[in-house]
Amino acid sequence: SQQGEEDPQALSIQEGENATMNCSYKTSINNLQWYRQNSGRGLVHLILIRSNEREKHSGRLRVTLDTSKKSSSLLITASRAADTASYFCATDGGGGADGLTFGKGTHLIIQP
Amino acid sequence: DTAVSQTPKYLVTQMGNDKSIKCEQNLGHDTMYWYKQDSKKFLKIMFSYNNKELIINETVPNRFSPKSPDKAHLNLHINSLELGDSAVYFCASSLIRDSPWETQYFGPGTRLLVL
Repeated sequence: SQQGEEDPQALSIQEGENATMNCSYKTSINNLQWYRQNSGRGLVHLILIRSNEREKHSGRLRVTLDTSKKSSSLLITASRAADTASYFCATDGGGGADGLTFGKGTHLIIQP
Repeated sequence: DTAVSQTPKYLVTQMGNDKSIKCEQNLGHDTMYWYKQDSKKFLKIMFSYNNKELIINETVPNRFSPKSPDKAHLNLHINSLELGDSAVYFCASSLIRDSPWETQYFGPGTRLLVL
């Protein structure tokens, strides 16, 4: 069964605004990761947050994790046109060798 | 330098054919993976390989077989291709086996279309 569920499925905002995407998952995790996929391209790792962490920052990215609610959010501040992409959360429920379980992604469009 | 590379980038073939997709990583990673992304962009793990040992196989038909000639390569061979195999296939690698903290690095994907 699908682990991660991103919300919303699609988001369109103006350049300069903040974009928030949410992810919910079903089973216990060791970590949660966010990836970006530009149209027709591979996935690029953005940020990893461990199950014992609640918030993490990387540049314009802010990720939160609430293990009690089994949810995470990705905030992109001061969005740019280049941020237009699909964003996926991925969970690692067991050891790293089990691979990641991805959600369906949020398609983010930044209007110039 | 490309970290994880895949060939070919596009693959169009007829039903019933056998095809292979190659993957190479130059990161010195121990574990490599294959994922399938369907038309709805849903990504699903297919295989992972560590030190030439298959670790997982997520309900993938036995028409799919991963082959790893060495630690830097994990090729995907598909027999008797079916229409439903049309998808984008991604190769990935990570440094340490059994570590929940490891980031996976993805290749650019191979777009397979079965006619």
